[in-house]
Amino acid sequence: EVQLVESGGGLVQPGGSLRLSCAASGFTFSNYWMHWVRQAPGKGLVWISRINNDGSSTSYADSVKGRFTISRDNAKNTLYLQMSSLRAEDTAVYYCVRRSCTNSECSFDYWGQGTLVTVSS
Amino acid sequence: IVLTQSPLSLPVIPGEPASISCRSTQTLLHSSGINYLDWYLQKPGQSPRLLIYFGSNRASGVPDRFSGSGSGTDFTLKISRVEAEDVGVYYCMQPLQTPYTFGQGTKLEIK
Repeated sequence: EVQLVESGGGLVQPGGSLRLSCAASGFTFSNYWMHWVRQAPGKGLVWISRINNDGSSTSYADSVKGRFTISRDNAKNTLYLQMSSLRAEDTAVYYCVRRSCTNSECSFDYWGQGTLVTVSS
Repeated sequence: IVLTQSPLSLPVIPGEPASISCRSTQTLLHSSGINYLDWYLQKPGQSPRLLIYFGSNRASGVPDRFSGSGSGTDFTLKISRVEAEDVGVYYCMQPLQTPYTFGQGTKLEIK
């Protein structure tokens, strides 16, 4: 069974840092591109970042570029999101998402349960 | 790429049809002929779940009362007969290019 389990969320002061982790299981992690998507309380979904399967290529939303870093450890089947210079507007539930692409399908087929990050003094 | 959904709120009587529109500021039709437009449903208190990919392909396990259509910049998600379990927020998303973008979401509720 495919599972994505996020951890590392919590309360942090503005300007602070936090590292989120996403433990993957039930599939060959190193074969998949992975993404982070966030959702502010009561708001919609926002794509944040993605990383290719071997970690050599990354992409970010402008809102987090230069402050957030996505990475992965394929030996540990874990995806990370290092967040720094955090702002109140970064307060959100952060979802780890698997992107699955075959010859005939490409989609966000599995989502984690999310971890809440609250930026407040 | 900006995606605009309408309506943002959709009250529906069980058994009645429902339709959600998603319009893009740029074409989502790739040169391969694939429309890069997905639909996701986020039920209350849950993570989003894939419904439709490539504009019109139902994901595994999705009831056939859900259908997607459209091409280029205009897309529609239709539910032929709404059931109580369909309540939640529906999002369209474009994975054609980064940054991937989502529509604002359409909240479907039962009348």
